[in-house]
Amino acid sequence: GQQVQQSPASLVLQEGENAELQCNFSTSLNSMQWFYQRPGGSLVSLFYNPSGTKHSGRLTSTTVIKERRSSLHISSSQTTDSGTYLCALRSSGSWQLIFGSGTQLTVMP
Amino acid sequence: AQTIHQWPVAEIKAVGSPLSLGCTIKGKSSPNLYWYWQATGGTLQQLFYSITVGQVESVVQLNLSASRPKDDQFILSTEKLLLSHSGFYLCAWSLRGDTEVFFGKGTRLTVV
Repeated sequence: GQQVQQSPASLVLQEGENAELQCNFSTSLNSMQWFYQRPGGSLVSLFYNPSGTKHSGRLTSTTVIKERRSSLHISSSQTTDSGTYLCALRSSGSWQLIFGSGTQLTVMP
Repeated sequence: AQTIHQWPVAEIKAVGSPLSLGCTIKGKSSPNLYWYWQATGGTLQQLFYSITVGQVESVVQLNLSASRPKDDQFILSTEKLLLSHSGFYLCAWSLRGDTEVFFGKGTRLTVV
C-alpha cells in the first residue's frame, strides 16, 4: 500500500485564510521533508523536520512520529503561496525518499 | 555559488534515440547522490542512488541506467528512449550520515 498519503489533494482559500496540509505515513520514520514545487517542476525546500515543530515566517511544520503524521501550516495565506506542496519521507534503514502525491493550493485574492 | 548543477535544462528527443543527463555537485566531499523522475501530473519517484564512486543502486526500473564516474558526478542515460521516459528529472544529494536531501533545478525531457 501507499506509504505516504497527502491530504487534501487540492485546497482553495481566500487570501488571509490559514491552510493545514497533512502527510500521513505507514512506515517507520527516519526523516521528513516538505517542499514547494514550482510550476516548472523545481523544488523549494521548506522544512527538514524529522520530529517536533519548526517555524519559518508564516510556515510551521509539525511532525509527530508516534501518530505517523506531519503537517504544514500556512498562516495568513497570500496569492503567492499558490502551488503544489509535497511531503517526502525516508524510512528507517532505507535510502529511498518517498514523496506524497502533493496538495495543490490555490489562494484567491 | 551553486552547489548542484544539472544539465541540460530541457531536451526534446526522438523515440529510440539515446539520452544522457548529467549532474555535478561542487563543494561536498563524497556525497550520496540520487536521481528522481516525475511524469507529467505524477508523483516524484526515486530512480537510483549512489553512496560512492562506481557504485549505483536501482530503485525503480524504467529502462534507464545511471553511473557515477567521479565523486562529484552522476549520469543518467539510456540507449533507446521511450515515450514513457518523458517527464521531469531531478538530481539530488545528501551528506554522508545525514538524511536531508537537496535537489537540483531539474531537466525537462520531452520524447516525441
